[in-house]
Amino acid sequence: NAGVTQTPKFRILKIGQSMTLQCAQDMNHNYMYWYRQDPGMGLKLIYYSVGAGITDKGEVPNGYNVSRSTTEDFPLRLELAAPSQTSVYFCASRRGATSYEQYFGPGTRLTVT
Amino acid sequence: EDQVTQSPEALRLQEGESSSLNCSYTVSGLRGLFWYRQDPGKGPEFLFTLYSAGEEKEKERLKATLTKKESFLHITAPKPEDSATYLCAVPNQAGTALIFGKGTTLSVSS
Repeated sequence: NAGVTQTPKFRILKIGQSMTLQCAQDMNHNYMYWYRQDPGMGLKLIYYSVGAGITDKGEVPNGYNVSRSTTEDFPLRLELAAPSQTSVYFCASRRGATSYEQYFGPGTRLTVT
Repeated sequence: EDQVTQSPEALRLQEGESSSLNCSYTVSGLRGLFWYRQDPGKGPEFLFTLYSAGEEKEKERLKATLTKKESFLHITAPKPEDSATYLCAVPNQAGTALIFGKGTTLSVSS
């Protein structure tokens, strides 16, 4: 199993540009998550999904959108990128409702200038 | 409000110098406490789950313990390769997500 994979690893965006961060898992996990991690601030939850077709907001959803059309994929869309979205983004997955441990991808480092 | 607090923020040890990291939490109905290790430039790696007070888990030089209000990660005779940021987390009340502490960055020098 590849586990949780993320692409790209690095990206530089100009202010106002848009992009999609890709996340995929091959563990047949129902739950998937997007976090951002800023220095000294810990992991902040952006969006999560409990299954295909179901998504919900986390702590910091503004400026982002998600979709979940399949169990495997959970892309994160940034519209009109702003410098405040400079961060490291992690995707994670979890097997199901009674299993709380999450497994993380390697991250995407995004810089908006 | 559900909350996780880790201390210290940073810890510097000499190789072989044992110590402990603390994770205190406030959440109703604990459904588990999770420890992760994060190396620079990488995603968090799952280490342990603890479910009830008194439970202990071990992995190499690491031992995690749990009380009703906090968890400790004991590091015995650490080596430089144990240098990393250690995160703890608990499920929120709804069980939909994990609440993470800000982490303890451990540096072990030889």
